[in-house]
Amino acid sequence: KAGVTQTPRYLIKTRGQQVTLSCSPISGHRSVSWYQQTPGQGLQFLFEYFSETQRNKGNFPGRFSGRQFSNSRSEMNVSTLELGDSALYLCASSEQVMNTEAFFGQGTRLTVV
Amino acid sequence: SQQGEEDPQALSIQEGENATMNCSYKTSINNLQWYRQNSGRGLVHLILIRSNEREKHSGRLRVTLDTSKKSSSLLITASRAADTASYFCATDSGTGNQFYFGTGTSLTVIP
Repeated sequence: KAGVTQTPRYLIKTRGQQVTLSCSPISGHRSVSWYQQTPGQGLQFLFEYFSETQRNKGNFPGRFSGRQFSNSRSEMNVSTLELGDSALYLCASSEQVMNTEAFFGQGTRLTVV
Repeated sequence: SQQGEEDPQALSIQEGENATMNCSYKTSINNLQWYRQNSGRGLVHLILIRSNEREKHSGRLRVTLDTSKKSSSLLITASRAADTASYFCATDSGTGNQFYFGTGTSLTVIP
């Protein structure tokens, strides 16, 4: 099986712009969750989707949003980018709604200038 | 706040030695997972241990879980230079696939 695929791998955006990141989970996996990783805050949970429904949301401002499509692919969007949004954004895929392994993609490195 | 805390923050050993990392967490869990990350790349899943399990093995990896102490340990035996990476523990929230990560242990294996 192919692993979790995140696109693009690298992205440079200007402050104030918006960005959309994509995640394709492992085939058959219906749960997708997103994380932000920064040197200062470490790995922080953004949100989780299962069967197109957002099940959990982390403590991030409303500028961060996401969605999941019927084929389980997910996107996250960040509007009005700030310098502090520069981070590695990681997507994880799981087969079940809980208590199963979560497999991560290679991440999208977002740099806001 | 992050649920898990790894200890030590950094560990440097010679190739062939064993490496032990510890993880402590704060609330009840269904499972705990260990991951490896190389230089800001994606997280590689190593092992999942459920709350009703005490020990699990996978190749050179041995994971223990003590739910009474809310702690877990990861042992890498006969370490190799390729094991150089950061290691994270992640605990579930109990409500789904929302995981809390620790700050990680940076392991350096010297050839």
